[in-house]
Amino acid sequence: QKEVEQNSGPLSVPEGAIASLNCTYSDRVSQSFFWYRQYSGKSPELIMSIYSNGDKEDGRFTAQLNKASQYVSLLIRDSQPSDSATYLCAVKRVSGYSTLTFGKGTMLLVSP
Amino acid sequence: DAGVIQSPRHEVTEMGQEVTLRCKPISGHDYLFWYRQTMMRGLELLIYFNNNVPIDDSGMPEDRFSAKMPNASFSTLKIQPSEPRDSAVYFCASSSGRNEQFFGPGTRLTVL
Repeated sequence: QKEVEQNSGPLSVPEGAIASLNCTYSDRVSQSFFWYRQYSGKSPELIMSIYSNGDKEDGRFTAQLNKASQYVSLLIRDSQPSDSATYLCAVKRVSGYSTLTFGKGTMLLVSP
Repeated sequence: DAGVIQSPRHEVTEMGQEVTLRCKPISGHDYLFWYRQTMMRGLELLIYFNNNVPIDDSGMPEDRFSAKMPNASFSTLKIQPSEPRDSAVYFCASSSGRNEQFFGPGTRLTVL
């Protein structure tokens, strides 16, 4: 079973719509969750982190976490063509030395 | 502040040759990570260091791969001998404590 799963996409949405990106994880002791954005040919860039159940909003981005369901999502409101990228979900344990486990990413395409 | 610096940005070599990738982490960061990204396997952690000490190298695929961190501002990832299946983008990332990781621009390696 893959540790962090994401739909590879592409997820296509029109400009101005809400894009919803989903991620599930298998390790129940995971405590920290991150969303990275990666443009084609570029490096991953951190856009959101979330540690507690519920929603966390930052501008047009909202991260949602449900630890009971082992599910984390990223909502992008008012999607723009510049949001077109691959979005990587990353999961981290807290105790001891801890590394990130990445999903393979979901490609988002926002059409003008 | 300068971000994570990697060199070279592109490397094309022939099978059997030695390849050395270089990384300068963000000043003050005490964790350094080496990742490899391919379409098939996504972003994989190869090895990470804490205060210049290798902590976990379980992701290093074979003995052909080695990594060093002689001081807080420099790390190398070496492949000897290189093989075509090593072709990938190699990222270096750094973090302060157990906080968010910041990625360098990556080295695109092509082994012919």
